[in-house]
Amino acid sequence: DTAVSQTPKYLVTQMGNDKSIKCEQNLGHDTMYWYKQDSKKFLKIMFSYNNKELIINETVPNRFSPKSPDKAHLNLHINSLELGDSAVYFCASSQGLLTYSTNTGELFFGEGSRLTVL
Amino acid sequence: DAKTTQPPSMDCAEGRAANLPCNHSTISGNEYVYWYRQIHSQGPQYIIHGLKNNETNEMASLIITEDRKSSTLILPHATLRDTAVYYCIVRARIQGAQKLVFGQGTRLTINP
Repeated sequence: DTAVSQTPKYLVTQMGNDKSIKCEQNLGHDTMYWYKQDSKKFLKIMFSYNNKELIINETVPNRFSPKSPDKAHLNLHINSLELGDSAVYFCASSQGLLTYSTNTGELFFGEGSRLTVL
Repeated sequence: DAKTTQPPSMDCAEGRAANLPCNHSTISGNEYVYWYRQIHSQGPQYIIHGLKNNETNEMASLIITEDRKSSTLILPHATLRDTAVYYCIVRARIQGAQKLVFGQGTRLTINP
């Protein structure tokens, strides 16, 4: 029973196309994230939503638009794809409230979606 | 968030203890040390975290120096499946989103 699931796992598309990656978590968390890992393997945060509200928005081109229909879902839509968008995109979730000592604040990551732009 | 410095790569024999060092000399009083690992293109996986006391869980032990300027992650009996990139991150525990900043990490190779 996958905790954080992303679809699709692989996506190959042409420059200029628009594509979406979907993410769902069944952990009951209230915070979700998108990270990008490029060819040099650096992991960088792109966005974070807490209770459907955008709270982290790093310097990302506005061609990237996250959408959170509810707490359990955070989708990433990318317009006018460019070669440099080729990367692995990871979705993650965490429990934002740190009230309980048993909450480590850890992030749970999905398996990644490998996007290749030709 | 404080920066961390880790060796780019390490090797360890299977069955031995793997000790991964991390320097975080600019850590501030409210910042925790977190360790994650990434096994070949999978999503990063949380290992352990600590503030100032040593910590142990089913995966690893975390030893933090008294001045908190460095720490060591210990995998007591490394297996081939522990081959991965290990990331040391310092982060204040805050409400809301956790903006983890991943560095280059240490590529740990467990040899048979």
